[in-house]
Amino acid sequence: QKEVEQDPGPLSVPEGAIVSLNCTYSNSAFQYFMWYRQYSRKGPELLMYTYSSGNKEDGRFTAQVDKSSKYISLFIRDSQPSDSATYLCAMRESNSGYALNFGKGTSLLVTP
Amino acid sequence: DTAVSQTPKYLVTQMGNDKSIKCEQNLGHDTMYWYKQDSKKFLKIMFSYNNKELIINETVPNRFSPKSPDKAHLNLHINSLELGDSAVYFCASSSGGELFFGEGSRLTVL
Repeated sequence: QKEVEQDPGPLSVPEGAIVSLNCTYSNSAFQYFMWYRQYSRKGPELLMYTYSSGNKEDGRFTAQVDKSSKYISLFIRDSQPSDSATYLCAMRESNSGYALNFGKGTSLLVTP
Repeated sequence: DTAVSQTPKYLVTQMGNDKSIKCEQNLGHDTMYWYKQDSKKFLKIMFSYNNKELIINETVPNRFSPKSPDKAHLNLHINSLELGDSAVYFCASSSGGELFFGEGSRLTVL
């Protein structure tokens, strides 16, 4: 399943840095795009959910979708040690029974 | 009050054994899923049920059999366990948008 590509990292940044996480995809039928955060030994939890191209902001998090380039990004501003986790991009077509196609996840470590 | 709960959280068993994982959601969602997460953290869809009806069945060995007694429950039974079945199995539910995941069931086959 290589429809969604994501660099697994690990990515290590100092506290306060801006983090950029990215995914590319090949299926132009993908309509809905999400970012999940997964802490160690926990289930994934939704961070951001977008439908259209453009930016969506929620606190320190900004999700960006560029459907023409088949590229999505998640930006984390003023990163904190508590942001250390694996970040998974996910996407789906509108009529696929709602199953999500996940990237492999990027492991992020924010050091104090 | 846990939204999606899975039991057991940990399973250690021998090759060839049969095991089951249970999942329950109290969110009132119509759709439930089983995902498998391998050691490299890749989450792959296995099955999806909508109102007790199987709607997604990815290429999964016949040894894996899901059962949905009602729309709040989706169980996974695995026969003749193999070493390659070792993974974390996540149950999730949805009403059409976001997926809500359980905490996972970590299966180790020795």
